[in-house]
Formats: sequence, C-alpha cells, structure tokens
Amino acid sequence: EIVLTQFPATLSLSPGERATLSCRATQSVRTSFAWYQQKPGQAPRLLIYDASNRATGIPARFSGSGSGTDFTLTISSLEPEDFAVYYCQQRSNWPRTFGQGTKVEIK
Amino acid sequence: EVQLVQSGAEVKKPGESLKISCKGSGYNFANSWIGWVRQVPGKGLEWMGLVYPGDSDTRYSPSFQGQVTISADKSINTAYLYWSSLKASDTAMYYCARGMGLFDYFDYWGQGALVTVSS
Repeated sequence: EIVLTQFPATLSLSPGERATLSCRATQSVRTSFAWYQQKPGQAPRLLIYDASNRATGIPARFSGSGSGTDFTLTISSLEPEDFAVYYCQQRSNWPRTFGQGTKVEIK
Repeated sequence: EVQLVQSGAEVKKPGESLKISCKGSGYNFANSWIGWVRQVPGKGLEWMGLVYPGDSDTRYSPSFQGQVTISADKSINTAYLYWSSLKASDTAMYYCARGMGLFDYFDYWGQGALVTVSS
C-alpha cells in the first residue's frame, strides 16, 4: 500500500499570504495524484487532479505540481474561505490512499 | 446537475447489520465509479473501496476487505455499503463519491451519513 505523508500538519498563515503544502509518497505514483479541500461539516471537494489540473470551478489561485513521489499544492494568496483541511490522494495503485491532511489555519 | 444523495444517520448496536445507500442522479450512473470514504470524527479521510455499477467490478482497501460489502444496482442508480455485524469502531461519517470520467478521482460527493454504533 502506498503511504502518503503530508507536511506540515498545520500551517498558520494570514489572508493574502502564500500557502505551500507538500505530500510525499512511499513509491512513485507518476502524476496519478489529487488534492482535496474539506471545510468543517462539509464533504471534501476535489481541487486538483492528475497532479496539476484544476477541477471544474476551482479558482486559479490553487495550483498543483510534482510527479513521482513529491507533490505540492500552492495557494497563491489565501482568501478567508481557503482556511480548511487539505488532503492528498493517489490513484496509481490499489488501494487508493489519502494523506493524513494539512490544516491551514488563520494566524 | 450531478447529485449524490445518501441515506440518513443511523444509530445501531454492536453486532447489528446495516446497509446505507447513495443515489446518483444527473449523469450516467452505470459509467462512473462510486467510492466510499470513511471519516472518524476529528480524523482524516480513509479510502474504503469502490464499485463500477456498469459491471459491478469492486475494489477494496485491505483495511476494509471482509469488513464491509460494497455494491450497486444500476437499475435504480444506487450504491450501497453494507455491514453484517457492526462494531463500535465503525462509528464514523461515511461519504460516497463519484469517480471522475474514466478515472476514480472523486469529483462529486454525497452529503455523508453518520453511523453511530453504541450499546
């Protein structure tokens, strides 16, 4: 099973700042990789798929990069609604797996 | 409009059986994977497994294989998650989600169903 490790666990930033979230896989997943956002009391939302493609309706301030084992989600300028928990996921191998999450909180 | 509507919250006792459902609409249900994701309160997302309604191909995480049964009935656009004998550790929110296009990134999610198992 591929294990995804996200870091940092918590990111404390102010609105307008740039957020950089990372996820590392225990083996290559090529670019079969996604990022999700989850706000309290809500279902997750797909942000990025295939490592760097924004899902429908996702603002351009969200971008994804990486391939193989190391991936990054960047939020160029945090909006108030971006404070949430972010999860990475791989779909390269069975079983699919999620990372443990990074919480982006208001500083 | 794509929608996944899940059955409601459940309160069960250990050892009881339970089947929760997820009804899809607004798209060709048979041609997209439907997955199930567990979230224990205050914890992260756990990928449980998924089913392709068109041919009932099913994949499980080893962590959930043998613990639950995932199925789908394409005639009524509904997927299911079934436990034959619940445990207290099954207490969690369960989400269904649609696989995007030919892949199984989850692009649409149900509202979640809270399952509480307590004696």
